[in-house]
Amino acid sequence: NAGVTQTPKFQVLKTGQSMTLQCAQDMNHNSMYWYRQDPGMGLRLIYYSASEGTTDKGEVPNGYNVSRLNKREFSLRLESAAPSQTSVYFCASRIAQGEQYFGPGTRLTVT
Amino acid sequence: AQSVTQPDIHITVSEGASLELRCNYSYGATPYLFWYVQSPGQGLQLLLKYFSGDTLVQGIKGFEAEFKRSQSSFNLRKPSVHWSDAAEYFCAVGAGNAGNMLTFGGGTRLMVKP
Repeated sequence: NAGVTQTPKFQVLKTGQSMTLQCAQDMNHNSMYWYRQDPGMGLRLIYYSASEGTTDKGEVPNGYNVSRLNKREFSLRLESAAPSQTSVYFCASRIAQGEQYFGPGTRLTVT
Repeated sequence: AQSVTQPDIHITVSEGASLELRCNYSYGATPYLFWYVQSPGQGLQLLLKYFSGDTLVQGIKGFEAEFKRSQSSFNLRKPSVHWSDAAEYFCAVGAGNAGNMLTFGGGTRLMVKP
């Protein structure tokens, strides 16, 4: 099992550009999550999907959209990137009644 | 809303010394509690979790944590630290459906002196 995979690993965008971060899991988990990590602030939840076909906002959803493409895949889209979105983005999936498993992260810089 | 505080941003210990990382949480119901570790440039790996039952939980890599409801704490301990334990440690509380929604503390960066 590959677990949770994320692409790309690194990305540099100019202000106003758009991009999609991809996430896939092969553990047959129902729930998937997107977080951002900023120094001193831990991880903050952007969006989550409790099951295929559903998505909900987390703590910091502004400027982002998500798509739960199928049970395996959960993408995060930045429509018009801003420097405040410079961060490390983590995708996670969750076993029922259990812990979350995290991907390796995408380091995004917006100039 | 739930919250997690990790009072120590940085901790330095000598190799072989004991370690305790502090975590305090705020949550109105029975919490689901987690400790994760992150090595530089990596994702997060689960060290241990508390859902119910015995308040002293054992995890991987020789770590343990104790849930103290009266103190709203879930401190992480290790009796003898190894150089490979240098990393950032995150405490998290799970709310919602069986801990579906995680709220993380700000993290504690551990450095290990030889």
